[in-house]
Amino acid sequence: SAVISQKPSRDICQRGTSLTIQCQVDSQVTMMFWYRQQPGQSLTLIATANQGSEATYESGFVIDKFPISRPNLTFSTLTVSNMSPEDSSIYLCSGMPGQGGEQYFGPGTRLTVT
Amino acid sequence: GENVEQHPSTLSVQEGDSAVIKCTYSDSASNYFPWYKQELGKGPQLIIDIRSNVGEKKDQRIAVTLNKTAKHFSLHITETQPEDSAVYFCAASADTGFQKLVFGTGTRLLVSP
Repeated sequence: SAVISQKPSRDICQRGTSLTIQCQVDSQVTMMFWYRQQPGQSLTLIATANQGSEATYESGFVIDKFPISRPNLTFSTLTVSNMSPEDSSIYLCSGMPGQGGEQYFGPGTRLTVT
Repeated sequence: GENVEQHPSTLSVQEGDSAVIKCTYSDSASNYFPWYKQELGKGPQLIIDIRSNVGEKKDQRIAVTLNKTAKHFSLHITETQPEDSAVYFCAASADTGFQKLVFGTGTRLLVSP
């Protein structure tokens, strides 16, 4: 398994600003992912964070809006850029330690944009 | 792409009863099916998973069954306890590397003492 932490746990931001969320894993993982979860809703995959290369984005998500970095096998960041109230959500990162598919999630970052 | 439907959206049971949550998937190539439990204010926690070469898997009070022909899988919780109260999500992956998970809509389980 893997233990994942995220910073910040929550934030309130003004529209037009950007927020960078950090994700730290306690051990090396093969894959890292970023998800968005609207309150009371399901999880939607934003992108796969690739170590040493550009992230792979899902349909509806673009790099200019959600730039992602993954400098090593235990750390990744997601930036929510030029925020609007529609970006208010919970952002979750996950890590997959092996090749078997098990993903372990961080506690999430609750973002409110005013 | 893959689509996962989950039922029921809410489920209320008495402590000690069993609870069953069902999911159906659309992509016959899906081969990995995890279940997550999410408590209020926390991230999803992996509680059990099953792969397409297995029909059933148990872990203490939790079991998952898979019917590949019908393309559905279910979570069974026996002897429910109040601490089982949470939102449960099923997911499916058709990736060869089991990477991309598509989640169901979630089931809010309430176990009353």
